[in-house]
Amino acid sequence: DVKVTQSSRYLVKRTGEKVFLECVQDMDHENMFWYRQDPGLGLRLIYFSYDVKMKEKGDIPEGYSVSREKKERFSLILESASTNQTSMYLCASSFPPSGTHEQFFGPGTRLTVL
Amino acid sequence: AQRVTQPEKLLSVFKGAPVELKCNYSYSGSPELFWYVQYSRQRLQLLLRHISRESIKGFTADLNKGETSFHLKKPFAQEEDSAMYYCALSGGGNTGKLIFGQGTTLQVKP
Repeated sequence: DVKVTQSSRYLVKRTGEKVFLECVQDMDHENMFWYRQDPGLGLRLIYFSYDVKMKEKGDIPEGYSVSREKKERFSLILESASTNQTSMYLCASSFPPSGTHEQFFGPGTRLTVL
Repeated sequence: AQRVTQPEKLLSVFKGAPVELKCNYSYSGSPELFWYVQYSRQRLQLLLRHISRESIKGFTADLNKGETSFHLKKPFAQEEDSAMYYCALSGGGNTGKLIFGQGTTLQVKP
């Protein structure tokens, strides 16, 4: 079974803080993704990575950055947290060379920025 | 542009009634389509994909290229089907990106 884990289920931070969200997958997947999940807006892609040290912007990258130094780990960074970044953050991974683009998701991190 | 539309935010039915969650997509090539489900306090997980042509938990979905639709159906809803459902489209390529719809909350009443 693919296992995608996220470092925290709940986080509370203050405006202006630097926030790190960590994601680890154990199936040697090439691709990793960070999404925001907001009611009525579905899942919106923030950033994704298709290889170590490779990253591409998704649909809503403003205010975020990412890091992928090792294949199994993909970090999302909020350089200066703002209240409008309060959301549920989902990490996912996939392995397209297997022939399918199915993504496997972590449990999510609910971030509240005060 | 690639797009997925789920027109209903909330679908409420009684137990035993048929269910159809609508999904329409916009894509010029050959799409790969998925339905994902998120039960309360659980992670988002794959329900089914069109290339498998399978039935999972009594749900089926048929790709209709003419109508660009991939509606999810179940003949008799159960209370445990209550969840958030997302339709997703893969545009191909090696990046594995998926485009998700806005999601539909299915509420099955006893």
